[in-house]
Amino acid sequence: NAGVTQTPKFQVLKTGQSMTLQCAQDMNHEYMSWYRQDPGMGLRLIHYSVGAGITDQGEVPNGYNVSRSTTEDFPLRLLSAAPSQTSVYFCASSLSRAGTQYFGPGTRLLVL
Amino acid sequence: QQQVKQSPQSLIVQKGGISIINCAYENTAFDYFPWYQQFPGKGPALLIAIRPDVSEKKEGRFTISFNKSAKQFSLHIMDSQPGDSATYFCAASKYQGGSEKLVFGKGTKLTVNP
Repeated sequence: NAGVTQTPKFQVLKTGQSMTLQCAQDMNHEYMSWYRQDPGMGLRLIHYSVGAGITDQGEVPNGYNVSRSTTEDFPLRLLSAAPSQTSVYFCASSLSRAGTQYFGPGTRLLVL
Repeated sequence: QQQVKQSPQSLIVQKGGISIINCAYENTAFDYFPWYQQFPGKGPALLIAIRPDVSEKKEGRFTISFNKSAKQFSLHIMDSQPGDSATYFCAASKYQGGSEKLVFGKGTKLTVNP
C-alpha cells in the first residue's frame, strides 16, 4: 500500500495562475480532506468529501475548488492563486469523518 | 470558536526530562481524542489515542491522561529524547456515529535538547 500520495511536492506560482494539487489513496477510504498548515495556525480544513460525488466546505474554502469523481482521487484546485495561499497543503483520508486521519507527505506551495 | 485549545505553543525540554502538552475541548459529545506527531517535512501521523471510558492510556514512553469532568486531556512524554523533537497536535471527534469531524488543536513544537 502506498497510502496517501500527493503531487507535486513543491510548486511556485505567480499571482493569478491556477493549478491542481493531486491527492490519491489506495486504502479504499470514503472520507478524504484537504488541510493547509501555516505557522501558528495549526491544520485548517479546506474541503472534505464523504464519498465519490459528495464534497463540502471546511473552515477556509475560499479560493479553492474540489471534486471527487472516484473513491481514490481528491484533487484540490486553486482558481486564481494569491500570495495568501502560500502554505503547505496536506491531503488526508480515513474510514470515517471522525476516525484516524492518514496524511500524505504534503505539497509546499509558494505564490509570488 | 476554537473547539480544541492546545498549550503550550512551543516547549523545550532537556534529554531525559518529561514533556507535557495540554489540550482542552468544548464539545461534550466528543468521544475520541487522538494525538498526532509531525516531523519536519512530513505529514502528521497518529501517535496515540484515547476514549473517555478510561482516564489514562500508555504506549511506551507516551501517556495520555484524560479528565472528563474538566474536559481536558494531556500528552506526557517520559524520558524525552532528541528524536521526539517534532510538532504535536491534539484532536477530538465524536467517533460513534461519526457525526463530528475530527478537529485539531493548533500544535505544540517540542524541542528536546541533547
